[in-house]
Amino acid sequence: NAGVTQTPKFRILKIGQSMTLQCTQDMNHNYMYWYRQDPGMGLKLIYYSVGAGITDKGEVPNGYNVSRSTTEDFPLRLELAAPSQTSVYFCASSYGNRVDTIYFGEGSWLTVV
Amino acid sequence: TQLLEQSPQFLSIQEGENLTVYCNSSSVFSSLQWYRQEPGEGPVLLVTVVTGGEVKKLKRLTFQFGDARKDSSLHITAAQPGDTGLYLCAGLNRDDKIIFGKGTRLHILP
Repeated sequence: NAGVTQTPKFRILKIGQSMTLQCTQDMNHNYMYWYRQDPGMGLKLIYYSVGAGITDKGEVPNGYNVSRSTTEDFPLRLELAAPSQTSVYFCASSYGNRVDTIYFGEGSWLTVV
Repeated sequence: TQLLEQSPQFLSIQEGENLTVYCNSSSVFSSLQWYRQEPGEGPVLLVTVVTGGEVKKLKRLTFQFGDARKDSSLHITAAQPGDTGLYLCAGLNRDDKIIFGKGTRLHILP
């Protein structure tokens, strides 16, 4: 079972560069989420989507963009990377707001230098 | 803003001891979840509690949701080195967003 797949696993970016973190799920979940986790901290919601074509901001959306053209994919775009975006990024999906169905990807470690 | 405060932040105990970690808020949540996260991996959902006063058991782990649905506790009996990890609580807020606490980092010494 693939579940939630994130790529890349690790990436180093220079300040001002842009990149996209990919996220795919094969569970036909309609809800998808992007979180970031800073050292010693919990997860903060960046963006989420309740279905294809629908996205909404979370707690910390500045500096990021998302799209949801299909049920399976929910890419996260970083424009003009900044050191403050150095973090671990987690994608997750669930069946509606049924949090007992939520699955997380393995994370993407991003360093901006 | 609905916040979840977890305590203690760090806990290191000997194998075989019992422990309790806490998740507190001033706000009411429709449900609370507990996750365990191991280094290099994403959080894994352990349990969801929905009803005030609810108690759920998962082997040596006992989870309780406060009567007012503002707090929760996780009790581990006879801790084992395999219990080592970051324990996160999260709540489903009024906007249907999952809000996380900062976690309790637990280390069980063999």
